[in-house]
Amino acid sequence: NAGVTQTPKFRVLKTGQSMTLLCAQDMNHEYMYWYRQDPGMGLRLIHYSVGEGTTAKGEVPDGYNVSRLKKQNFLLGLESAAPSQTSVYFCASSYSRDGGELFFGEGSRLTVL
Amino acid sequence: GNSVTQMEGPVTLSEEAFLTINCTYTATGYPSLFWYVQYPGEGLQLLLKATKADDKGSNKGFEATYRKETTSFHLEKGSVQVSDSAVYFCALATGNTPLVFGKGTRLSVIA
Repeated sequence: NAGVTQTPKFRVLKTGQSMTLLCAQDMNHEYMYWYRQDPGMGLRLIHYSVGEGTTAKGEVPDGYNVSRLKKQNFLLGLESAAPSQTSVYFCASSYSRDGGELFFGEGSRLTVL
Repeated sequence: GNSVTQMEGPVTLSEEAFLTINCTYTATGYPSLFWYVQYPGEGLQLLLKATKADDKGSNKGFEATYRKETTSFHLEKGSVQVSDSAVYFCALATGNTPLVFGKGTRLSVIA
């Protein structure tokens, strides 16, 4: 009963390094999302996908790239990490974009030094 | 655009106290409204939802009524428990946009 799984759970990077966060869901959901959570800012949408092979920009897309090569996976990449990208990242999936429930992973805490 | 404004926290209550967390929204069209809860160290999970005006969502003793005339969806619980300590997020969705969240309200319930 995995639901939405994010890896890694924790990561420390130096400024300028690159990394990829992996999100995997086993519910056959079409829609997947990446959010970041910062103190006092709530959740802000980075990128999302409405199906395999599609991606779209959210509210705060700069500095991130995403790919959805397989329906069950949604990757979030940081090409050149910056301290401003220190955050907790949440992946979510849903069967519909409006009115449907979002299922969240447990989060990935990223620190950029 | 769509936006959600919820009361700033933190909110600290004694066990068995009455809880209200205010949420108002701005949206184009007719949104669906949600409350999500985040327990410490976990991701968000849906608490309740309402999809049209005057609907009442309820779950685990929590309630919220979709008020179109005041564009509000306030969360209430008659008697909070220590286990209700969490961060609560109000959110909305419309037909063309992904879910938009408020900034969250941290609730601490003390015994």
